[in-house]
Amino acid sequence: DVKVTQSSRYLVKRTGEKVFLECVQDMDHENMFWYRQDPGLGLRLIYFSYDVKMKEKGDIPEGYSVSREKKERFSLILESASTNQTSMYLCASSLPGDPYEQYFGPGTRLTVT
Amino acid sequence: GEDVEQSLFLSVREGDSSVINCTYTDSSSTYLYWYKQEPGAGLQLLTYIFSNMDMKQDQRLTVLLNKKDKHLSLRIADTQTGDSAIYFCAESDGGYNKLIFGAGTRLAVHP
Repeated sequence: DVKVTQSSRYLVKRTGEKVFLECVQDMDHENMFWYRQDPGLGLRLIYFSYDVKMKEKGDIPEGYSVSREKKERFSLILESASTNQTSMYLCASSLPGDPYEQYFGPGTRLTVT
Repeated sequence: GEDVEQSLFLSVREGDSSVINCTYTDSSSTYLYWYKQEPGAGLQLLTYIFSNMDMKQDQRLTVLLNKKDKHLSLRIADTQTGDSAIYFCAESDGGYNKLIFGAGTRLAVHP
């Protein structure tokens, strides 16, 4: 049974802080993704990675960076948190190739005050 | 670029059928997907349809694909309170293993 875990369910940070969101998957998946979910906007892709140390920008990478040092772990970093980064952050992983079944973690609700 | 659109809300009575609609723009998508998000959880793949198919049935779920109009629908028969969730339509993004999601339709089931 595929499991994707995220380090926190809820997080409150102050403006300007550096924030780390961690994601771990246990199924040896090559692909990993970070999304943010906002009401009425659905899921927007921030970054994705198709291999260790590889990363690609998604649709909204500004203000974020990522790190993938090990296959099972994909970290999202907010270099200097701002209030407009208050959101639900979802991590996902998948194998390559059609059909793309992405397995999602439960999400981290981040509030920046 | 690619875009996926769906209405934001749908309310149905328990026992009725629900139909959630979606339009997409990328005609090269090999598969189209429906994901479900229950309260407090991440998304979970509900079903998918190969782009050469018109219809796929899986128990209470029926997926219809009109490739000419780029229209996808999900029908849930005999809708139950446990079906209350947000349903996301998604298309694949060429060869990059990415999915493009719609905004999600919140389905509310009332007695």
